[in-house]
Amino acid sequence: DVKVTQSSRYLVKRTGEKVFLECVQDMDHENMFWYRQDPGLGLRLIYFSYDVKMKEKGDIPEGYSVSREKKERFSLILESASTNQTSMYLCASSFIRGHSYEQYFGPGTRLTVT
Amino acid sequence: GEDVEQSLFLSVREGDSSVINCTYTDSSSTYLYWYKQEPGAGLQLLTYIFSNMDMKQDQRLTVLLNKKDKHLSLRIADTQTGDSAIYFCAESMISGTYKYIFGTGTRLKVLA
Repeated sequence: DVKVTQSSRYLVKRTGEKVFLECVQDMDHENMFWYRQDPGLGLRLIYFSYDVKMKEKGDIPEGYSVSREKKERFSLILESASTNQTSMYLCASSFIRGHSYEQYFGPGTRLTVT
Repeated sequence: GEDVEQSLFLSVREGDSSVINCTYTDSSSTYLYWYKQEPGAGLQLLTYIFSNMDMKQDQRLTVLLNKKDKHLSLRIADTQTGDSAIYFCAESMISGTYKYIFGTGTRLKVLA
């Protein structure tokens, strides 16, 4: 089974702190994604990566950066956390089987910025 | 622009069928997906349908696709309390960037 793990389930940080969210997948997937989930807004893509050291902005990249130094690991960085970044963060990875682009998700990190 | 819409809530009685609806705007979608999110968990892929298909059945799940109206539905037969969750539809783009567009999610509540 595909396994996507995230470093923390719950995180509380102060405004202005630098925050690292880590995601690891064990299926040798090329693609990895970071989303945030907010009630009534569904999932919104922050960044994705299609290869080591490669990244592309998603729909809401402002205030975030990412790092992919190894194929299995994709990190989301909040350079200076703000209260409007309080949210559920979901990591996903995918391979191409046929052309179905199925994404597999981690359990999520609920981040609270006070 | 790209948009995927779902109703926010659905309530059904145990044993009844549930139908969760989704509309999308991008006619170039390649695949359309249904994901389930249980409380406190990530999303789990339930099923998907290729855009040249009209229907797909997988045990209690039936997916119907109306390309003309850009309407996707998920029917769950004999709904159980364990089916209570948020259900997301999503579409992937033909552009090859592997991006999904997710709907807002429908919270299904199954009454015993």
